[in-house]
Amino acid sequence: SAVISQKPSRDICQRGTSLTIQCQVDSQVTMMFWYRQQPGQSLTLIATANQGSEATYESGFVIDKFPISRPNLTFSTLTVSNMSPEDSSIYLCSAYDRVRIYGYTFGSGTRLTVV
Amino acid sequence: GQQVMQIPQYQHVQEGEDFTTYCNSSTTLSNIQWYKQRPGGHPVFLIQLVKSGEVKKQKRLTFQFGEAKKNSSLHITATQTTDVGTYFCAGSDNSGGSNYKLTFGKGTLLTVNP
Repeated sequence: SAVISQKPSRDICQRGTSLTIQCQVDSQVTMMFWYRQQPGQSLTLIATANQGSEATYESGFVIDKFPISRPNLTFSTLTVSNMSPEDSSIYLCSAYDRVRIYGYTFGSGTRLTVV
Repeated sequence: GQQVMQIPQYQHVQEGEDFTTYCNSSTTLSNIQWYKQRPGGHPVFLIQLVKSGEVKKQKRLTFQFGEAKKNSSLHITATQTTDVGTYFCAGSDNSGGSNYKLTFGKGTLLTVNP
């Protein structure tokens, strides 16, 4: 299955600043997604990263706050903009490569703390 | 929108006991997937079920997909300490040209007392 390298693994940021999280997949994948997970909680889908076009955001998430890029089939970034303490969470990218036996592969996550 | 309910939220067992977690979707699913997340880790894919009434086994794990494709279960026989983690079900509705996005249940945290 695909392997995803996600960085940074963790960061502590000042409120009002922005952080960009990167995900690099070791093979071309059809779909990439970005999730948020509070510790001990479930995963909430932020958006689907579309290659070469604007991301598709879920209800409650907007492009100005979470701009996403996906310039090619192996790479995507998520920016958390104008951060507040409420943005403290774990952010995960995920990829789906249409090989159904492998399911969705997740990056190792970025633990973000906003102070 | 699609909702996936999962119970129980927590389960503590003695090593060797069995464990079951259940998922129920508000809508008919195209498929359901199961993931395991170890403490401090990221979700890892276990299996995907596609067919109505499907049953799949992986060693001590048995996965079922309901006839109506709205519910599923994961059963672990004779739990071991290595089974500790949170088990998530995740449903997908690929009809109507949707983009294969998953809706996750809240997960069941399994702890095993050695």
